[in-house]
Amino acid sequence: AQSVTQLDSHVSVSEGTPVLLRCNYSSSYSPSLFWYVQHPNKGLQLLLKYTSAATLVKGINGFEAEFKKSETSFHLTKPSAHMSDAAEYFCVVATSGGYQKVTFGIGTKLQVIP
Amino acid sequence: DTGVSQNPRHKITKRGQNVTFRCDPISEHNRLYWYRQTLGQGPEFLTYFQNEAQLEKSRLLSDRFSAERPKGSFSTLEIQRTEQGDSAMYLCASSASGAGYEQYFGPGTRLTVT
Repeated sequence: AQSVTQLDSHVSVSEGTPVLLRCNYSSSYSPSLFWYVQHPNKGLQLLLKYTSAATLVKGINGFEAEFKKSETSFHLTKPSAHMSDAAEYFCVVATSGGYQKVTFGIGTKLQVIP
Repeated sequence: DTGVSQNPRHKITKRGQNVTFRCDPISEHNRLYWYRQTLGQGPEFLTYFQNEAQLEKSRLLSDRFSAERPKGSFSTLEIQRTEQGDSAMYLCASSASGAGYEQYFGPGTRLTVT
């Protein structure tokens, strides 16, 4: 069994301040972990992924995430928020065995205040 | 490569009618997924194909839903006797096979059942 918990449904930050979106996971297998972003009326876009290589993963648009096995966490961070970062962010866990079962979190809506 | 495409982008239908959606994955991807996303929720897994074989179906996929991928390329999702509760965004994604490959999502088909 696997699950994903996104700890905040809404996060509001001021432009230029750091972003932290929290994600905890549960998986019976060694997981692959992903963050996707969904802008209004746009498709889901991959931000970054962890697949058992380096625990600190860098993605697009200045985002990064750190895989912490002891804490079963995969939090998404960015040093300085831009207005264009306002969107919904989904944490995703996938089994890395033969069939890739994928589970999405419920999403965190990021608001960036000018 | 133009990415994952889905048709139609929007569909409005009356309750009780049948609808069919099409997904064209990225050409070299042999895995194909269908998801359903309702407002304020993350995508929920519906079904998964590896080539033409349907390997997994969610219990969300009632008897009224059927999916096919006859030649291991495009896929169709049919909903029979639509209900208002079927109103949602239906997303298709594809990926290469193997551990840790990310899914690429199409723009979705928004279904409204009146």
